[in-house]
Amino acid sequence: EAGVVQSPRYKIIEKKQPVAFWCNPISGHNTLYWYRQNLGQGPELLIRYENEEAVDDSQLPKDRFSAERLKGVDSTLKIQPAELGDSAVYLCASSSGLSGRVYEQFFGPGTRLTVL
Amino acid sequence: GESVGLHLPTLSVQEGDNSIINCAYSNSASDYFIWYKQESGKGPQFIIDIRSNMDKRQGQRVTVLLNKTVKHLSLQIAATQPGDSAVYFCAESTRDDKIIFGKGTRLHILP
Repeated sequence: EAGVVQSPRYKIIEKKQPVAFWCNPISGHNTLYWYRQNLGQGPELLIRYENEEAVDDSQLPKDRFSAERLKGVDSTLKIQPAELGDSAVYLCASSSGLSGRVYEQFFGPGTRLTVL
Repeated sequence: GESVGLHLPTLSVQEGDNSIINCAYSNSASDYFIWYKQESGKGPQFIIDIRSNMDKRQGQRVTVLLNKTVKHLSLQIAATQPGDSAVYFCAESTRDDKIIFGKGTRLHILP
């Protein structure tokens, strides 16, 4: 069974440019997460979806970040415009459970973003 | 505040010895704890979990201990192997499926 798929794996852009990341979760997983991981730190949650609904986006910097999961499967995370401080690894994860219970989260390999 | 931290940023262990990685958490309302392993260039991988109604749980070569009195969590790896080299994160959750990660401990295996 395929795991969580992310693309691209690496992205280098200049500041003020837009960038988008794509995630395909494990088949059948209702819940999808986007995390940001700075160098040497643990992942930090940006947004959580249950099916197509964003149920927790409290940590998403909404002035420049946006996300969507239109059909409740694939998801994209966008930054526009990117800033130097956005350089990080962006991780996508999915799980089979819904809110109220904690289920194991499966992570993708991440997209390493470098903003010059 | 809600945060999970680890005591040491790096840990070096001789191959074959047991490793013990420690973690302190601050939210007494947390009721679910997880250990993740992250190898270079990969996302975190689930190792083992424990709920707050338990104080010990064993897996294959790994044991997680939970001490709720002092809010301390540890991961024990038996007979450490070169493939155990990675960064280990503890994480906590409070009933709502949100997981908060700590800063991580890098485990080095000495030959």
